[in-house]
Amino acid sequence: DAGITQSPRHKVTETGTPVTLRCHQTENHRYMYWYRQDPGHGLRLIHYSYGVKDTDKGEVSDGYSVSRSKTEDFLLTLESATSSQTSVYFCATKPPTVTMNTEAFFGQGTRLTVV
Amino acid sequence: SQQGEEDPQALSIQEGENATMNCSYKTSINNLQWYRQNSGRGLVHLILIRSNEREKHSGRLRVTLDTSKKSSSLLITASRAADTASYFCATDEQGAQKLVFGQGTRLTINP
Repeated sequence: DAGITQSPRHKVTETGTPVTLRCHQTENHRYMYWYRQDPGHGLRLIHYSYGVKDTDKGEVSDGYSVSRSKTEDFLLTLESATSSQTSVYFCATKPPTVTMNTEAFFGQGTRLTVV
Repeated sequence: SQQGEEDPQALSIQEGENATMNCSYKTSINNLQWYRQNSGRGLVHLILIRSNEREKHSGRLRVTLDTSKKSSSLLITASRAADTASYFCATDEQGAQKLVFGQGTRLTINP
C-alpha cells in the first residue's frame, strides 16, 4: 500500500465548530483528492490538488476548504460543521505519469460525526 | 451529478456464477478504472483501461470499454464468497486529472 495516513480516523464534533482532517502521504505523489462517501451516493469528489498550492473544486465543495502547503500534506477543513457533513471521508493520491494513466491509492478513511 | 453511473446498484449471485457490472459516464476520459471496497475499508484498485483500449483482462476480471457509448463493464468470472464487496468505476477526466467515481455496485456472493 502507498503510505497514506488519514488523521483522525474517527471524530465526533458539534454543529458549528471548525474541523480539519489531515491526509499525509510518503510517496511524493503529485495529485491528491478528498472524497466523501455516503450511502446511496458512492464517493463524491470534494476538492483535489494537482500540486503544492494548486487546488480545485470537485462536485460537492460547498462548506469545505482545502490547503496544500507541501507535497505530503493535504488538509480538508470544515469551517463550520453541519449535520449534513456527517460522513466517511477518504483521501487518495495519484502519481503523475507521461501517459496520465495511473491508479489512485486510498487512505483508510475518517469517520466524522457532527452532532 | 456524478460522472459515473453504475448498474445494477446491487447484485446477488451464487458462488461459481459470473457477475457483470456496468458503468456509464459523460465526458471525455484518459482512462476508466475499477475499484473494490470491502465493508468499512478503503478502496483498492482492480484494473485500469485506457481510452484507446477496448478490452482488458486481469485474472478472473474482464473489463470492456466503449467510448462511443461512454460505457464500461466489469465481468468477474467464477465468483467466490471472498468477492463480496462494493465495486466502483472511476473516470479519469481528460485534461483535468480529476478522478470521479460512480455510485457503486454492491455484490453479494452466496455460498
